[in-house]
Amino acid sequence: DTAVSQTPKYLVTQMGNDKSIKCEQNLGHDTMYWYKQDSKKFLKIMFSYNNKELIINETVPNRFSPKSPDKAHLNLHINSLELGDSAVYFCASRDREVYGYTFGSGTRLTVV
Amino acid sequence: ILNVEQSPQSLHVQEGDSTNFTCSFPSSNFYALHWYRWETAKSPEALFVMTLNGDEKKKGRISATLNTKEGYSYLYIKGSQPEDSATYLCAFSSAGGTSYGKLTFGQGTILTVHP
Repeated sequence: DTAVSQTPKYLVTQMGNDKSIKCEQNLGHDTMYWYKQDSKKFLKIMFSYNNKELIINETVPNRFSPKSPDKAHLNLHINSLELGDSAVYFCASRDREVYGYTFGSGTRLTVV
Repeated sequence: ILNVEQSPQSLHVQEGDSTNFTCSFPSSNFYALHWYRWETAKSPEALFVMTLNGDEKKKGRISATLNTKEGYSYLYIKGSQPEDSATYLCAFSSAGGTSYGKLTFGQGTILTVHP
């Protein structure tokens, strides 16, 4: 039973394309996040949703748009992909009371 | 800008050695300090979440301490085993406001335990 699942695991696409990454959690957590692992291997927060409401929106190009149809899902849509968008993107969820994060296995996006 | 720094960046030890590494974080507006273990090709796995100054947490051979007044946490591994090889991440969250629930991660300490 995968707690936080992301699809796809790998995504190779051309510059200018639009793509989506999906994330689902079956833990009943209220809060979900998207993190990006940058070129220096740091995990940097992009967005956070709490029960379908956007609560954190870091300085991210507006080509990136998160969508949360319900509290178990948080998808990331990226328009007009650029070479610099190549990275590993991690979804995570958190129980409000426990505060530890559960991470997905990551999506490695390569823009060519 | 919140800075979370970990040292050393990498560490090589022999099986059976005990080791420790450091995480430093802003001491103001502290809410919680997290430690994660991240094996290659897997997702980060939560080890500890600490919120109180002086907190000590233990899980098997791994333990952590927290000093919020001076802004540091130590992670200790006793009797390292090859399966402990991983990147150990710490992450800081601050109290309230728009940063609620947001973790700022350090760059990690890469631990390699040689048989």
